[in-house]
This record gives sequence, C-alpha cells and structure tokens, in this order.
Amino acid sequence: DGGITQSPKYLFRKEGQNVTLSCEQNLNHDAMYWYRQDPGQGLRLIYYSQIVNDFQKGDIAEGYSVSREKKESFPLTVTSAQKNPTAFYLCASSQVPNYGYTFGSGTRLTVV
Amino acid sequence: AQSVTQPDIHITVSEGASLELRCNYSYGATPYLFWYVQSPGQGLQLLLKYFSGDTLVQGIKGFEAEFKRSQSSFNLRKPSVHWSDAAEYFCAVGASLTGGGNKLTFGTGTQLKVEL
Repeated sequence: DGGITQSPKYLFRKEGQNVTLSCEQNLNHDAMYWYRQDPGQGLRLIYYSQIVNDFQKGDIAEGYSVSREKKESFPLTVTSAQKNPTAFYLCASSQVPNYGYTFGSGTRLTVV
Repeated sequence: AQSVTQPDIHITVSEGASLELRCNYSYGATPYLFWYVQSPGQGLQLLLKYFSGDTLVQGIKGFEAEFKRSQSSFNLRKPSVHWSDAAEYFCAVGASLTGGGNKLTFGTGTQLKVEL
C-alpha cells in the first residue's frame, strides 16, 4: 500500500547536535511538507517542496534545513541553531494541485 | 493571511450522544476546508473536505460538516459518538502558495473525550 514513512519514531538529541528526520513516500506525490506540532499550538509549517531540487521556507524555518534530491524523499535536519527542538514532527505529501494531504505517523524529538 | 479558530480545547460527550465541534476560519477568497483526526502519537487522518458545491459534506466514520459562508464556519458533526472516536480533531483551511501549490493552516485542535 502507498503511504508515507517517517523514521525514527522516537529520537533523542543532545544539546548542540544536529539530527536528521527521514520522510519517504511512495504515493508519487509532487509536493511534500514538514510540520511541527506542539501541545495547544496546532501544526506549524516548517518547509515545503513542490518539485525535486526546490523547496521553500514555511512559517517557522529558522533552525531547520531540508533537501529534496529525490521525489520520494524529503529529510529534515534539526540544527543546533533550533533553540527549542523538542516537539512532534509530521511529514505530509500531496499531489499538486490537489489539496488533500497524506500524513506520516510522525517523529517525536526530545532534547536530553 | 488565513487563520482557523477552534474555540473548544476539550469536549466530553457520552457514548451514543451527538457531537458538534466548532471551527471558524478567516480567508479572503473561497476557502478550501478540511477536518482531520489524530490519535495519540499518530499522524493525521483526513475525515472530510470542502472545495465547492453542496455545503453539507460527508466524510468517513460517519462524520459530516456544514460550510456556512455567512458565519465563516465549518462545524463537524456526528449523530452518535462511539468510544473509538476519542481523539484530537483539527480543522484546517487551504490557501495557495506563491509560485503554485498549496498550504494548510491548522487550528489548535479540539480534544474529544468519550464517556462510556
């Protein structure tokens, strides 16, 4: 079955470390997105990509970086510049211009 | 800029009772509206969506929502709640991005608890 796979499910980061969250989709969707979820704040857009080798900043891109070298993959790096990285991270994809998003099951990142 | 307000942070209903979750949006053009459900520690699942046409839309799991332009609302309803409906529910509005594509803006969510 087609879907989005996020890994790992749980990730622990030490202060000052960069970590990379994986997101892979086999839906042949053109667009991919990263959202951050914090309790009581809903989902906030970090980065999005509409085609390979192109991506744009969302509302809260500071301290994050992405790449889109393949249509299927959109990894997110949480850098040491992100001051409060502990959150639940969700990856999504959609077939432009269809607005329906398919979400992955998320990665919970904790700073230790 | 578009925004979504879900005024109820928590709602508790008895199993078998009816449910209505409120959603108000702000968007300058014709909105694209969505309801998603999230179980603890999981991703979001699409319940239903409104693009145009009939203002009453049917979704999965027996849910429906009604778009009311005059009230800028898109409330989610279910006639009879089941214990398995306990989850967090998110309303979202879609908007076009510069250069094409789309972006969803989410409300802060409503946590539904079902009493047996």
